[in-house]
Parts: sequence; C-alpha cells; structure tokens
Amino acid sequence: AQTVTQSQPEMSVQEAETVTLSCTYDTSESDYYLFWYKQPPSRQMILVIRQEAYKQQNATENRFSVNFQKAAKSFSLKISDSQLGDAAMYFCAYRSANTGNQFYFGTGTSLTVIP
Amino acid sequence: KAGVTQTPRYLIKTRGQQVTLSCSPISGHRSVSWYQQTPGQGLQFLFEYFSETQRNKGNFPGRFSGRQFSNSRSEMNVSTLELGDSALYLCASSLSGNFGYTFGSGTRLTVV
Repeated sequence: AQTVTQSQPEMSVQEAETVTLSCTYDTSESDYYLFWYKQPPSRQMILVIRQEAYKQQNATENRFSVNFQKAAKSFSLKISDSQLGDAAMYFCAYRSANTGNQFYFGTGTSLTVIP
Repeated sequence: KAGVTQTPRYLIKTRGQQVTLSCSPISGHRSVSWYQQTPGQGLQFLFEYFSETQRNKGNFPGRFSGRQFSNSRSEMNVSTLELGDSALYLCASSLSGNFGYTFGSGTRLTVV
C-alpha cells in the first residue's frame, strides 16, 4: 500500500507571512494524483489544491501553491500571506490513477496562525 | 448546491450495540466513500460504493459494513461496538476521484 508521510505534526506562522508544509509519499506507480486537504475545527475536510503526477507544472490556487518533485516523491504546500482563517489541520493525500477511488492520507500538520 | 450531509452529527452508544450512520452525497455524485478518523490512526479507508456496489474495501473487520441505495445515499453499519470504534466517521462523495472528494462534517461516535 502507498504511504504518505507528513513529518511536521505542528507548525506556526505569523499572520501575513509564508509557511511551507511538507509531505512525502512512497509509490511504485507513475500515474497518480496528490491533494492537500484542510480540516478546521468544524471537522469538515476541505480540498485546498490538487496535482496530477503527469503534469510538471506546479498547481496554484490563489495563496496556495505546491512544490511537486516527482523524482523525490515530495509534495509540499506553500501558503502565502497567511490569514487567521488558515489555522487548521492540513492533510496530504495520494490517490492512484489505476487502483480505485481510495485515498491514502498523511497524519496531518496542525497549523497555528499567530496574529 | 447542497453539500455532503451526514447524520447524526453525534452519537453515544454502549459496547455491544450496533449503530447505523447515514450519508447523502452531492447530487449527481455516484461514488461514496467512508473513512474512520482517530487521533492515533489518522484517516483510514473503510469502503467505497459506486452505483450500489462496493467497489473497494479497507482493512476493517466484518463488523463494519455498508450499502448504497439507488439514489446514491449510503449507510454504514457497525455491529457489536467496541470502545476502539470511537472515532469521527467521515463520508465523502465524488464524481471522479481524480478531482478529489467532497467531505461531509462527519459523525462523532463515542462508545462507552
């Protein structure tokens, strides 16, 4: 089974600053999808950004961008101009393109935004 | 459009009882997946249903089961509850997993 590792259980950032959350994954497949999800205290998981492995260009969604390094199996999330509303648990997730609709999640990084 | 709706939001059950959780996906989404979230194990995949058929199953004992109805609504059932079943149970629907899931707010199950 694929494994997803988030090595930073907790991170903090000053409001308006930039923070990068790390994620690595282990797979022997070449075709897959990667995601970052945010889970605020309301519990609902919200999709932040997605990346197709076959695309070399890094995905960007407003203040959120990724650094996708396929050879290194690394998929970090950069949050620019951090806002108080960004405080949440962030989960990195992997989905194979070939073996069904099962996502593998990392253990999460708790992000605190300091006013 | 309405999101993924899970009911109930909170549930307290006694060991040995059984429980049924409900999930209504986004209209048009035929795939429904269930995850168990605990502080120790994180998010673990339970199963996925597509057009009323279980398409994929995680490594959970047979006490955990589910089904999907013709309107794509799904239920999961846990029989003979154990203390370790206490968790947040998340339901997620998708048109295609390539675009990611839309999650519900979950059902918090406490087994006492």
